[in-house]
Amino acid sequence: GAVVSQHPSRVICKSGTSVKIECRSLDFQATTMFWYRQFPKQSLMLMATSNEGSKATYEQGVEKDKFLINHASLTLSTLTVTSAHPEDSSFYICSAENRWTRVFRDEQFFGPGTRLTVL
Amino acid sequence: QQQVKQSPQSLIVQKGGISIINCAYENTAFDYFPWYQQFPGKGPALLIAIRPDVSEKKEGRFTISFNKSAKQFSLHIMDSQPGDSATYFCAASKNRDQTGANNLFFGTGTRLTVIP
Repeated sequence: GAVVSQHPSRVICKSGTSVKIECRSLDFQATTMFWYRQFPKQSLMLMATSNEGSKATYEQGVEKDKFLINHASLTLSTLTVTSAHPEDSSFYICSAENRWTRVFRDEQFFGPGTRLTVL
Repeated sequence: QQQVKQSPQSLIVQKGGISIINCAYENTAFDYFPWYQQFPGKGPALLIAIRPDVSEKKEGRFTISFNKSAKQFSLHIMDSQPGDSATYFCAASKNRDQTGANNLFFGTGTRLTVIP
């Protein structure tokens, strides 16, 4: 399989500050990257989908201005949580896929996740 | 609305036993059914996946059984080991839409505990 990394793995910030999370595909080009949010003992909730070089598509109920997504290259996507509040505390996970590859068609490769705690 | 329903929520199995997790879906457009394993504090890792053209797929101790007419699929873990203790998620995705999107719809997860 392919490798996806996330940075940082953990972040603690004060309420009102902005936090940037990076997602990188290390050994393949990601045509699409996905951002998920996971609360304790719950399933993954898709927040948004981004294709390289174009605007992200957000799921219903996800605030575009609060969760800024940039997919500037085929190996990097960033999620910025702006003006973070305690209710934004969660586990954020990215995944990446290359839709053109035959070997891993339809397969999403997940990063290790970022634990965000807003005080 | 939960597009993929998963059960049980939690499962306790003795070492060496068989763990069975079930999922059901409604959308007949789904054509890819992966299972993910997630350890605490980590991202999900793909375990095994199946497409609707086959009824079973086996990889080592892990087997997916797929029933297209019933719109159900299940994960069987043979000879379960304490190291298999994790949360398992089933998922489904459908044919890509015009934008090329291939969104995964996840089940609610099953917390498996294998007792030594």
